[in-house]
Amino acid sequence: DQQVKQNSPSLSVQEGRISILNCDYTNSMFDYFLWYKKYPAEGPTFLISISSIKDKNEDGRFTVFLNKSAKHLSLHIVPSQPGDSAVYFCAASASPQGAQKLVFGQGTRLTINP
Amino acid sequence: KAGVTQTPRYLIKTRGQQVTLSCSPISGHRSVSWYQQTPGQGLQFLFEYFSETQRNKGNFPGRFSGRQFSNSRSEMNVSTLELGDSALYLCASSQGQNFARSNYGYTFGSGTRLTVV
Repeated sequence: DQQVKQNSPSLSVQEGRISILNCDYTNSMFDYFLWYKKYPAEGPTFLISISSIKDKNEDGRFTVFLNKSAKHLSLHIVPSQPGDSAVYFCAASASPQGAQKLVFGQGTRLTINP
Repeated sequence: KAGVTQTPRYLIKTRGQQVTLSCSPISGHRSVSWYQQTPGQGLQFLFEYFSETQRNKGNFPGRFSGRQFSNSRSEMNVSTLELGDSALYLCASSQGQNFARSNYGYTFGSGTRLTVV
């Protein structure tokens, strides 16, 4: 039962263009969403997050959009740079009381072509 | 400040053996969570410890266990290893607060790559 799904295993984007990574979830109790970036042989690195009370959060080149009615979130990277090539995981939390448990998607491998 | 340290980085074990993995969180972090990463499955939550108590547990068999010490360091143990336990095991630390209030996610270690042969 995959509660968080990233349906695109891979995505290839030209340098300078916009990268859009998508994530769908099924559990309506999720109230906090995060994106992580992972390079080979390293642990995931926190990128950006969004609370369910918002529909958009922006941090530099990264913007996350949340559509609660569709149970869908997306990460936009603009402009895309070669260093953005990595695996991106979305994650969701239904623990407003503080317990630290994230449900992750399967990941999307983003390749930025020069 | 030092990040999350996981030891060892690589392990090769034989089916039926047991293994212990270690995680030292960032100084001041009281919560340690463990995840298993396998190809195609993403990261799957194992358990979380806060102040030496298990606060959350994922859907893994009882062969997977953990503990946390008074200095917040955590260990994870897998007994009677199976081939399917081959994976990257990641631990992550945080201050233990609600994500929304802390406004940041975990800090992950680089993981321990376990291979069961």
